[in-house]
Amino acid sequence: AQTVTQSQPEMSVQEAETVTLSCTYDTSENNYYLFWYKQPPSRQMILVIRQEAYKQQNATENRFSVNFQKAAKSFSLKISDSQLGDTAMYFCAFGMSFGNEKLTFGTGTRLTIIP
Amino acid sequence: SQTIHQWPATLVQPVGSPLSLECTVEGTSNPNLYWYRQAAGRGLQLLFYSVGIGQISSEVPQNLSASRPQDRQFILSSKKLLLSDSGFYLCAWTLKAGQGTYEQYFGPGTRLTVT
Repeated sequence: AQTVTQSQPEMSVQEAETVTLSCTYDTSENNYYLFWYKQPPSRQMILVIRQEAYKQQNATENRFSVNFQKAAKSFSLKISDSQLGDTAMYFCAFGMSFGNEKLTFGTGTRLTIIP
Repeated sequence: SQTIHQWPATLVQPVGSPLSLECTVEGTSNPNLYWYRQAAGRGLQLLFYSVGIGQISSEVPQNLSASRPQDRQFILSSKKLLLSDSGFYLCAWTLKAGQGTYEQYFGPGTRLTVT
């Protein structure tokens, strides 16, 4: 079974600064997907970014980028030029590529952007 | 484009009363469907998932049940609510294996309070 660990329950950063959220996972599989989801105070779960394990290039979406280290089983999220609207819970998630379409979620990191 | 609806948005029910939460998806066919529960300040716990009409897999033994009477309709039920059933319930959908990248798309959620 796969596990996802987010070791930072809470983080805070000044507006406009850069922050990195950590995620590690454990799997014996070679093909899989990794995701970061954002849950703002409205509690709507929003997909932030995804990474395919077979791709060496790190995924980027505007101010959001990941550092995917497959050998280390690490998948961190970097938020550049942080904005007040980035305040949210962030969940890391793991998904298999074949057959099993369930996602395994970490316990989340609560990020607060300080004005 | 695809959309996912959940209702009701909020619900307050006494202990021992029945429950029915509904989730519907528009704009796609034959999706995989999921029910999650999120306790306050906690991560997501997968309760049920379904790969087709009438096909339900239970992840956690509990006081709840799920049904999928139509392709894009997923219902979460209970005959007698417990205090521990309080929480935020999220429905999600995803494409079948081989059709996409397995990110899950979430509904707006239902906040259930059992008194």
